[in-house]
Amino acid sequence: QVQLVQSGAEVKKPGSSVKVSCKASGDTFNRYTINWVRQAPGQGLEWMGRIVPVFGTTNYAQKFQGRVTITADESTGTGYMDLSSLRSEDTAVYYCARGWNHLRPTYDAFDIWGQGTMVTVSS
Amino acid sequence: SYVLTQPPSVSVAPGQTASITCGGKNIGSESVHWYQQKPGQAPGLVVFDDSDRPSGIPERFSGSNSGNTATLTISRVEAGDEADYYCHVWDSSSDHVVFGGGTKLTVL
Repeated sequence: QVQLVQSGAEVKKPGSSVKVSCKASGDTFNRYTINWVRQAPGQGLEWMGRIVPVFGTTNYAQKFQGRVTITADESTGTGYMDLSSLRSEDTAVYYCARGWNHLRPTYDAFDIWGQGTMVTVSS
Repeated sequence: SYVLTQPPSVSVAPGQTASITCGGKNIGSESVHWYQQKPGQAPGLVVFDDSDRPSGIPERFSGSNSGNTATLTISRVEAGDEADYYCHVWDSSSDHVVFGGGTKLTVL
């Protein structure tokens, strides 16, 4: 059974950065996409960006351009999301999600999700 | 940017049919995916490519997509279906994933 296991909760100061990891067990990355989705308290899902590990290509939501960096290490089956210049509005649960169609984004549904990582930004 | 509009809430009695809509300009030409999220849990895929179900999802969950509206239909609703539901499309004009705002399904 494939699982995505994320790193633990973080508490950060405004202006700092956070790096969240997402390790796949039971399968490799190379036929999938890794997406990052966040959810502020009581709010809906917000897509941040994705990486296609086999190609090394990334797409970022315009809102996060310049502040987010998504990477993947195929050798360890681990994805990373780095968010900088944190502010209180970035307080949220951050999820990684595996997309199953790395060739056709339109059909790239997210079939497996990590457990979520709570990031709290507070002075 | 592409916008998906969902009703904030839908209520239905047990055993009845719930319909959750996702509106978007010409969404019928896109492939729509649906997720279920229960409190304190990560989302889970319930319908993909408009109307297909992943293995393990009951046949009670179905989807359709035409014109400017995609619909998730849950037949014979059970108490355990109470959750938030989100639609998802890929916006090829911006190369972005777009989620609807989510719909809270309440089972009366």
